[in-house]
Amino acid sequence: NAGVTQTPKFRVLKTGQSMTLLCAQDMNHEYMYWYRQDPGMGLRLIHYSVGEGTTAKGEVPDGYNVSRLKKQNFLLGLESAAPSQTSVYFCASSPDILLRAFFGPGTRLTVL
Amino acid sequence: AQTVTQSQPEMSVQEAETVTLSCTYDTSESNYYLFWYKQPPSRQMILVIRQEAYKQQNATENRFSVNFQKAAKSFSLKISDSQLGDTAMYFCAFMMLTGANNLFFGTGTRLTVIP
Repeated sequence: NAGVTQTPKFRVLKTGQSMTLLCAQDMNHEYMYWYRQDPGMGLRLIHYSVGEGTTAKGEVPDGYNVSRLKKQNFLLGLESAAPSQTSVYFCASSPDILLRAFFGPGTRLTVL
Repeated sequence: AQTVTQSQPEMSVQEAETVTLSCTYDTSESNYYLFWYKQPPSRQMILVIRQEAYKQQNATENRFSVNFQKAAKSFSLKISDSQLGDTAMYFCAFMMLTGANNLFFGTGTRLTVIP
């Protein structure tokens, strides 16, 4: 099993560009999450999904959209990137609530 | 609102020694979970240990144990027989039992194990 994978690992964008981050898990988990990690801070929840076709907002959802069209994939979109979105993005999945969360390796995004 | 505070930004320990990382939290909830996550230089977040608030017994996982003081809202992590592979950022995290769809993280403690 690959566990939780994230694509891409690194990306540099210019202000106003758009992009999509892909999270994939092969553990048949219902729950999936997107977090961001900024310097000197812990992870903060952006959006999450409790099953295929569902999404919900977390702590810091502004400027992001998500989709969960397939159970194994959770996409995070930035429609118009801003420098404030420079961060490391982590995806996580779990079979139920976050008691047994598996995290991906992260995506480092820089917005110039 | 739930807050998690880690007051030690950096710590170091000699290999084979014991170190304790501190964490305090603030909540009005009575049922919740507490976690310690490790983030090595690879950036992968790894669950180290978990504690249920309704359990009085402190959780242990091999060389890792916690001191959970519910009344004081304190949740410290003790690492015994420290190894070089323990060098990492350590994050304390809190999760409510109701509507449990978020982990609230502290700002982390960077631990360096010195050979």
